Amino acid sequence: GAGVSQTPSNKVTEKGKYVELRCDPISGHTALYWYRQSLGQGPEFLIYFQGTGAADDSGLPNDRFFAVRPEGSVSTLKIQRTERGDSAVYLCASSPGTGGSAFFGQGTRLTVV
Amino acid sequence: KNQVEQSPQSLIILEGKNCTLQCNYTVSPFSNLRWYKQDTGRGPVSLTIMTFSENTKSNGRYTATLDADTKQSSLHITASQLSDSASYICVVSPDESWGKLQFGAGTQVVVTP
Repeated sequence: GAGVSQTPSNKVTEKGKYVELRCDPISGHTALYWYRQSLGQGPEFLIYFQGTGAADDSGLPNDRFFAVRPEGSVSTLKIQRTERGDSAVYLCASSPGTGGSAFFGQGTRLTVV
Repeated sequence: KNQVEQSPQSLIILEGKNCTLQCNYTVSPFSNLRWYKQDTGRGPVSLTIMTFSENTKSNGRYTATLDADTKQSSLHITASQLSDSASYICVVSPDESWGKLQFGAGTQVVVTP
């Protein structure tokens, strides 16, 4: 597609369940970023991939969060044993490389009940 | 403490009027500053990006200024339109790595007819 695509757009899950959020970056973009945005706040960095490897995962809040990008394109953010505090909009962005212009997807709104 | 502070938190203006949003940052070292527009339910969209050597950058009716000495930036919206209603987020990068971006909480702008 022409832009960054995230699926699903909305996800409601029960506390304690496992969820996967998917990001399809713009074709050819080597860098991919995951951010989390709570209501009324700016995006908070989670993890950044350059190619297939996680170049910086210092923003992941704890070991319940994990992200992969096995082929250097699509990425999946995985959250185990979800908690109500995980409820937020999860944003994905991609760019041709470090710095420069990056493009955001419209996000996945995760609600943990 | 957030290293990027934005003011005002929210703003209501009449269609056709001008407004100015402020961003103060303490991020150091400094590489670049970006302004993003985020419509409700959408991902952020880049408006401007400035390095420390640039003090103004325009994108249509949006004009951003930067004073790297005082660590202040402003975003001026000229002749506001209803479609300008959105959250405007100031983002500062200490280096070229996107993963280390510091986001402000945003200014919510509402343009009324």
